[in-house]
Amino acid sequence: EVQLLESGGGLVQPGGSLRLSCAASGFTFSNYAMAWVRQAPGKGLEWVSSIASGDGSTYYADSVRGRFTISRDNPRNTLYLQVNSLRVEDTALYYCVKGIRGAYGDWGQGTLVTVSS
Amino acid sequence: QSALTQPPSASGSLGQSVTISCTGTSSDVGGYNYVSWYQQHPGKAPKLVIYEVTKRPSGVPDRFSGSKSGNTASLTVSGLQAEDEADYHCSSHAGSSNVFGTGTKVTVL
Repeated sequence: EVQLLESGGGLVQPGGSLRLSCAASGFTFSNYAMAWVRQAPGKGLEWVSSIASGDGSTYYADSVRGRFTISRDNPRNTLYLQVNSLRVEDTALYYCVKGIRGAYGDWGQGTLVTVSS
Repeated sequence: QSALTQPPSASGSLGQSVTISCTGTSSDVGGYNYVSWYQQHPGKAPKLVIYEVTKRPSGVPDRFSGSKSGNTASLTVSGLQAEDEADYHCSSHAGSSNVFGTGTKVTVL
C-alpha cells in the first residue's frame, strides 16, 4: 500500500522559511516522478512543483519559482520542499503526490503551512 | 499558468447523470492527452478518478467517464449515487508545468 506522510508545516511569519518533508513507502520511490500540490483554505488545488524520477529535473509554478526548491533523497525515500520568503498567500495545505502517466495517483494527507504575522 | 475553467457547481438527481466541463487552451488541455480528474470529499485528500482523458484507475466505478474535444475536457458521472457528492477538480499537463481547474461542487439531489 502506497503511503505518503508529510511533515514540517506550521505557523511562520511573512518572509520566513520552512522545510516540508514527505516520507514515502509502499512503492519504489526512485522510479516515480513526485510533486507538491497545495490548497488554500476553501479554494481549489494548485500545482506547486514537480521533480522527475530519472535525471531529477525540477519544475515550478510561476508563483513560487525562485522561492521554493523541490528535492528528493531516493535512498531515504523522501521528498522535500524548501519554502523561503513566505507570503500570506502561500498559506495552504501542502500535499505530497506520486506521479503516474501525467496524473497524481496517490496523495498524502497534507501538511498545513500558515503564514501570518 | 492560468487555472482551467470549471463551473462552480453542478447537480443531478439520484440515478441521473451530471457532466462537468473543464476549459483550457491549446497550451494545456488542447495540446496534450494528459487530462485528469480528481474527486475530493470535505476534509479529505483528492482521489484520482480519470487519467489520460478517458482512463479509469483500478477501483473507480465505470460510472465515471472522461472525454475531450478541442480545448475542453469533460467528466460525466452516470447513475449518480449519494457518495458522488463532492468537489471535482480537473488537471492538465502544460509543457513544463501542470495546471488545475477552478473546481466544481457536485450536489446529488
